[in-house]
Amino acid sequence: SQQGEEDPQALSIQEGENATMNCSYKTSINNLQWYRQNSGRGLVHLILIRSNEREKHSGRLRVTLDTSKKSSSLLITASRAADTASYFCATDYGNNRLAFGKGNQVVVIP
Amino acid sequence: GAGVSQSPSNKVTEKGKDVELRCDPISGHTALYWYRQRLGQGLEFLIYFQGNSAPDKSGLPSDRFSAERTGESVSTLTIQRTQQEDSAVYLCASSLGWGDRTEAFFGQGTRLTVV
Repeated sequence: SQQGEEDPQALSIQEGENATMNCSYKTSINNLQWYRQNSGRGLVHLILIRSNEREKHSGRLRVTLDTSKKSSSLLITASRAADTASYFCATDYGNNRLAFGKGNQVVVIP
Repeated sequence: GAGVSQSPSNKVTEKGKDVELRCDPISGHTALYWYRQRLGQGLEFLIYFQGNSAPDKSGLPSDRFSAERTGESVSTLTIQRTQQEDSAVYLCASSLGWGDRTEAFFGQGTRLTVV
């Protein structure tokens, strides 16, 4: 069953603004990963944060992890039209297997 | 190959026919997933293979759906007696599947349309 759960809301922002989305999970994890999906095809891995990490950066992406609240957030800074996509979190519960959430649609308006 | 390959890219079939979808994972990846994604919806887990362990078939929606994987190579997802509600994109992903190496690599999916 899927336990990684993003806030199930569509986000619409202006180009240049920051976009934040959240993901919660239910039990202890080994790591949490974020993926992006364009045009309803294959997902692309963005970033992985381990359970002993609190924050990680990759380019304009910033991921935080709060294991006490069992939640993670993905921040996209200075958004661009090309960031328009669906974003998924996936949790690794330590059994070498990922559980994907339902995704969060982000629309960046030029 | 360089990535996960799925075939066909698109499939249109008549209601009641059987279809077979193919996934070629990245060489050496022990874990393989199948997901279904209906238009505008999230990922729906179907089945998970990990090495020689028994697959987790808990996501298969009905007995019309089945999947096989030979060792750590190709996987096929078969849908028998297709229905219109089976129309969706079927995504396959593979990963090394151990330790911290659980990053999933996705194929481009097979878009199935049942008419």
